[in-house]
Amino acid sequence: AQKVTQAQTEISVVEKEDVTLDCVYETRDTTYYLFWYKQPPSGELVFLIRRNSFDEQNEISGRYSWNFQKSTSSFNFTITASQVVDSAVYFCALMGSNFGNEKLTFGTGTRLTIIP
Amino acid sequence: GAGVSQSPSNKVTEKGKDVELRCDPISGHTALYWYRQSLGQGLEFLIYFQGNSAPDKSGLPSDRFSAERTGGSVSTLTIQRTQQEDSAVYLCASSPDYILSKQYFGPGTRLTVL
Repeated sequence: AQKVTQAQTEISVVEKEDVTLDCVYETRDTTYYLFWYKQPPSGELVFLIRRNSFDEQNEISGRYSWNFQKSTSSFNFTITASQVVDSAVYFCALMGSNFGNEKLTFGTGTRLTIIP
Repeated sequence: GAGVSQSPSNKVTEKGKDVELRCDPISGHTALYWYRQSLGQGLEFLIYFQGNSAPDKSGLPSDRFSAERTGGSVSTLTIQRTQQEDSAVYLCASSPDYILSKQYFGPGTRLTVL
């Protein structure tokens, strides 16, 4: 069975601070994919990033960066110089490659509030 | 281009009634997924289609839930004899194929069972 744990239920930071959202996953698949989605107050899930299990390079996209560490089964997400528009619920998700795991398994989400 | 659309956006029904939720995926996307988001259960997978077939129905909560997809395009999720615990936002997503591609999500249908 696959599992994604986002231990941080809610985080509040003051605008311009950096913030890291934690994600820990469990899977027995050797090939799998990790995702982050953003759900703003409007409700629609917005794709942020996808990484496959063979690519452990960290990735940076503007103010966003992701740290994938297979050794600790973690895929953490950092926002630098946070802005009010970053306020949303963020979901980490896992998709495996074996039959029955070919679907997104989501964590419970982290509600991020950026205080102006 | 057009994204994933879902209808209705909101549905209020009485306990025991049947409801149909519709999803129009992005044109050309072969994979289609249904998820449910509720306060108690978070985001949970229901079913996915590759073309018109559903290889994995493991997430359907009970036999009151069924889904079909016709012409490799539109999908309908049907809930029979609705119960209050069915109240949730039902999300549809599509992708050009599965596994490799990101999923594009629709705005969801908020179902309230009174």
